[in-house]
Amino acid sequence: GIQVEQSPPDLILQEGANSTLRCNFSDSVNNLQWFHQNPWGQLINLFYIPSGTKQNGRLSATTVATERYSLLYISSSQTTDSGVYFCAVERLTPGNYGGSQGNLIFGKGTKLSVKP
Amino acid sequence: KAGVTQTPRYLIKTRGQQVTLSCSPISGHRSVSWYQQTPGQGLQFLFEYFSETQRNKGNFPGRFSGRQFSNSRSEMNVSTLELGDSALYLCASSLAYKGMGNTEAFFGQGTRLTVV
Repeated sequence: GIQVEQSPPDLILQEGANSTLRCNFSDSVNNLQWFHQNPWGQLINLFYIPSGTKQNGRLSATTVATERYSLLYISSSQTTDSGVYFCAVERLTPGNYGGSQGNLIFGKGTKLSVKP
Repeated sequence: KAGVTQTPRYLIKTRGQQVTLSCSPISGHRSVSWYQQTPGQGLQFLFEYFSETQRNKGNFPGRFSGRQFSNSRSEMNVSTLELGDSALYLCASSLAYKGMGNTEAFFGQGTRLTVV
């Protein structure tokens, strides 16, 4: 099956610093999402980005589908950015319901700690 | 618009018992997926339902089952609970189109199950 690798596994930053999180995947995908898991466990949607570049405030993401990787940029980090960031992909395969496998495959996450 | 709602938020069960978790998707979403998150295995896909039919299943034993109702609400059931079933169970909903697969997935707050 498809493999999703995230790096780095852990990242410690001083407040105000910038960071780049990387997600590599081993096969073609039709869906790629970035999530932030809050301390209570909920996965918060950051980006739905199968390809291209998107920005939302201090966060931006780029997916280069042909090279099978995605990057999440966090600028001017704040302590509230702390938590685990997950990349998840979905493959498109032939099937009766239009090709979707119907499931996201997650990386192991990057644990970000932002110190005041 | 209301998000994905999971109930209950917390559960403590005894080994050997069974448990039922509930998920109400975002209005208009017809696809509901379930995931298990543990410290050791990370986020793993359990199953996906679309229009009351299971269309994809992960690699979990038959003790894990689910269903979807005509209003797209879904339940998952775990029978004969084991200590290793202690986990955060997350539900996701998304729009699904025949021929296009799923779109962006949105997650509920999860149900934290503890088996003692």
